[in-house]
Amino acid sequence: GAGVSQSPRYKVAKRGQDVALRCDPISGHVSLFWYQQALGQGPEFLTYFQNEAQLDKSGLPSDRFFAERPEGSVSTLKIQRTQQEDSAVYLCASSLLRYAGASGELFFGEGSRLTVL
Amino acid sequence: KQEVTQIPAALSVPEGENLVLNCSFTDSAIYNLQWFRQDPGKGLTSLLLIQSSQREQTSGRLNASLDKSSGRSTLYIAASQPGDSATYLCAGPGTASKLTFGTGTRLQVTL
Repeated sequence: GAGVSQSPRYKVAKRGQDVALRCDPISGHVSLFWYQQALGQGPEFLTYFQNEAQLDKSGLPSDRFFAERPEGSVSTLKIQRTQQEDSAVYLCASSLLRYAGASGELFFGEGSRLTVL
Repeated sequence: KQEVTQIPAALSVPEGENLVLNCSFTDSAIYNLQWFRQDPGKGLTSLLLIQSSQREQTSGRLNASLDKSSGRSTLYIAASQPGDSATYLCAGPGTASKLTFGTGTRLQVTL
């Protein structure tokens, strides 16, 4: 596709429910990132994939958060047993290059806004 | 650990005014610094990317500078327009694999 696509755009979950957020990166992009953005804050790093390999997951806030990119293209961020503090916008970004934080331009999707009641 | 700070947090200027947004970072050994724009309810759009070997980048009415020794970057917007109203974020690599973002400057350009 022309850009990074994320779905759903909006998700309302009851506390304790599991959710899955999808990211379709730009075709051919090697690097894929997930960020969490709370209201009024800058995005916070969650995890990074280089093709199908998850090379950095240091930003995942708890073991309730899990991300995968099994075929090196589409990625899914799963949150188990959602809590109110998980409410945020989840942004996906991709880049053509490896180690995009060092040298490459990132392209962001519009995000998935999660509200946990 | 890389920390990125942006001032001011919010700024309101009349149309036509030139303005400067500031970004400071703690780890001067950065590979690059990027400036992004975020409109309400939208994702981030990359505006300018300055490599560590560069001092500035220009795109249209935007000019970004990078001073690694002082840990600072500035985004200069010339002849501001109402369409420039958005939140502007700077980001520098905390490691080779991730960016550390500032909290942003919310800009409003009034008629």
